Amino acid sequence: ETGVTQTPRHLVMGMTNKKSLKCEQHLGHNAMYWYKQSAKKPLELMFVYNFKEQTENNSVPSRFSPECPNSSHLFLHLHTLQPEDSALYLCASSQDQPNEQFFGPGTRLTVL
Amino acid sequence: AQTVTQSQPEMSVQEAETVTLSCTYDTSESNYYLFWYKQPPSRQMILVIRQEAYKQQNATENRFSVNFQKAAKSFSLKISDSQLGDTAMYFCAFMKGAGNTPLVFGKGTRLSVIA
Repeated sequence: ETGVTQTPRHLVMGMTNKKSLKCEQHLGHNAMYWYKQSAKKPLELMFVYNFKEQTENNSVPSRFSPECPNSSHLFLHLHTLQPEDSALYLCASSQDQPNEQFFGPGTRLTVL
Repeated sequence: AQTVTQSQPEMSVQEAETVTLSCTYDTSESNYYLFWYKQPPSRQMILVIRQEAYKQQNATENRFSVNFQKAAKSFSLKISDSQLGDTAMYFCAFMKGAGNTPLVFGKGTRLSVIA
């Protein structure tokens, strides 16, 4: 599946580090999303971008900072994370909300 | 707020048999969509089937079908002739039918298909 790609696939970082997750969609979609998937919990929406504009911020701590420079790329900048932020971070995209979403493979993040 | 409940954390089924995964949801919306997503061990989430709330006919995609009971707010997934490749986490999801609206997911059901 190459419609939505995410890099890196795995990331280990310390609490004082700064890193970024990248998502790219090759489907011509105009909406992109970040979700957090933790063990034994439902997927949690973090951010929504529609036509590059952030339309939803689901009470996410400021140590997570999204960036959407164009409709094909989405970043999640990370700084001073906590161990409880360790999770699988999934990116998704869709066309003309509401509509089904296509997911990337995720980035497995471990915060030490 | 919408909620989605999947009451079966884990299920198993013999290869070639049929299995049904349950999902219930709570909403006051009249226009919405329901989805079943599959997440295999490789973690790429893929869409299995979708249902528009305004359609009375149950959606079907090959071996996958749903039983959509709108009044009961129930949306179960039936997998017929189960195959080893069906082993995965299955997530039920809800989406409002208008506006900028993300998916609301259930906690998932881990399905194991046994040879």
